[in-house]
Amino acid sequence: KAGVTQTPRYLIKTRGQQVTLSCSPISGHRSVSWYQQTPGQGLQFLFEYFSETQRNKGNFPGRFSGRQFSNSRSEMNVSTLELGDSALYLCASSPGTISNTEAFFGQGTRLTVV
Amino acid sequence: QKEVEQDPGPLSVPEGAIVSLNCTYSNSAFQYFMWYRQYSRKGPELLMYTYSSGNKEDGRFTAQVDKSSKYISLFIRDSQPSDSATYLCAMSQVYNTDKLIFGTGTRLQVFP
Repeated sequence: KAGVTQTPRYLIKTRGQQVTLSCSPISGHRSVSWYQQTPGQGLQFLFEYFSETQRNKGNFPGRFSGRQFSNSRSEMNVSTLELGDSALYLCASSPGTISNTEAFFGQGTRLTVV
Repeated sequence: QKEVEQDPGPLSVPEGAIVSLNCTYSNSAFQYFMWYRQYSRKGPELLMYTYSSGNKEDGRFTAQVDKSSKYISLFIRDSQPSDSATYLCAMSQVYNTDKLIFGTGTRLQVFP
């Protein structure tokens, strides 16, 4: 069974630009969550999608947005990039049912803002 | 105060030692408890997943949850150099969300 796939693996962007990251969940998983990981803050929850609907949102500014498609694939977008957005962005998928929230992570996309 | 507290380490042990990693939490609504292992420049890998209180064993790994004390542990028996990584505890609430709250991670080094 293929794992969670994130593309691209690495990105370098300039301040003020926008970026879109992609995540393909494990087959059959309907929930996709996004996290930001930095050395100072650790892993912080960005948002969660289930059946194309945002089910939960973390404490990040509106420059961070996401969406989920009918095939459960998800994208996240960051507009007007700031230097502080440099981080490892991780996507996790799970079956999404109340009885099973076992979440599996992808390898992440390392974003560097210069 | 953070919802989940975890000693950042680093923890350095000899090969073959028993390792104990711990997290404490403040939110009594947490029902699902996970341990992830993360190697440098990789995504977190799910090691153990438990629901509510009790013990769970998988090979050299044992996870313990004590909800009355709001305390979870991961024990690694016969530790190997390949266990050298950062170990993250994570928790989620029971109602309709997969939002995970993570500890800051404990860096473990097992030397030969």
